[in-house]
Amino acid sequence: GDSVTQMEGPVTLSEEAFLTINCTYTATGYPSLFWYVQYPGEGLQLLLKATKADDKGSNKGFEATYRKETTSFHLEKGSVQVSDSAVYFCALSYTGTASKLTFGTGTRLQVTL
Amino acid sequence: EAQVTQNPRYLITVTGKKLTVTCSQNMNHEYMSWYRQDPGLGLRQIYYSMNVEVTDKGDVPEGYKVSRKEKRNFPLILESPSPNQTSLYFCASSSRVPTEAFFGQGTRLTVV
Repeated sequence: GDSVTQMEGPVTLSEEAFLTINCTYTATGYPSLFWYVQYPGEGLQLLLKATKADDKGSNKGFEATYRKETTSFHLEKGSVQVSDSAVYFCALSYTGTASKLTFGTGTRLQVTL
Repeated sequence: EAQVTQNPRYLITVTGKKLTVTCSQNMNHEYMSWYRQDPGLGLRQIYYSMNVEVTDKGDVPEGYKVSRKEKRNFPLILESPSPNQTSLYFCASSSRVPTEAFFGQGTRLTVV
């Protein structure tokens, strides 16, 4: 079956540091890949997505590139802010009538001043 | 404003007492689903619905029921809750081709 593996958290960084959160996947087909973010006390929000190999998703300074050869979708940001503190989830889904998001376990990011 | 609304946000109940968590979306989405979030396990799908009167099991359906009588509503029913159903629950909706799933704010359920 399909699965998503994320790096263990929590990740603690100082403001303006570079962020990488690793995500790898196992898939039987050709999924779309997503990063969702969950701020404290809230539901998940889509951060960015990529629908095919070599696509780069980007939003709010975050980027991730769909790498089919390494089955990876690592999240990066050049300079994190305190407001980026949240839990980040990598996920995959297929286009189709029974689409379902398969999530990783989430990575908590804590950014300090 | 596009949104998914869940109620209640917090609920403490006793073992065996039936409860319903409501979910409503205002985006005319066909696809709705329920997830539970547990530490170290991420989000796991409980049930999903592809349209009115069409529902199916997700990865962890035991102990839960759902119904989809109207397109906008997708309630989650626990007929006889048990402590292992203590969790954070999320409802989500999306269009048939999933460009983005919209999530509710979550329901934190404690079963004692």
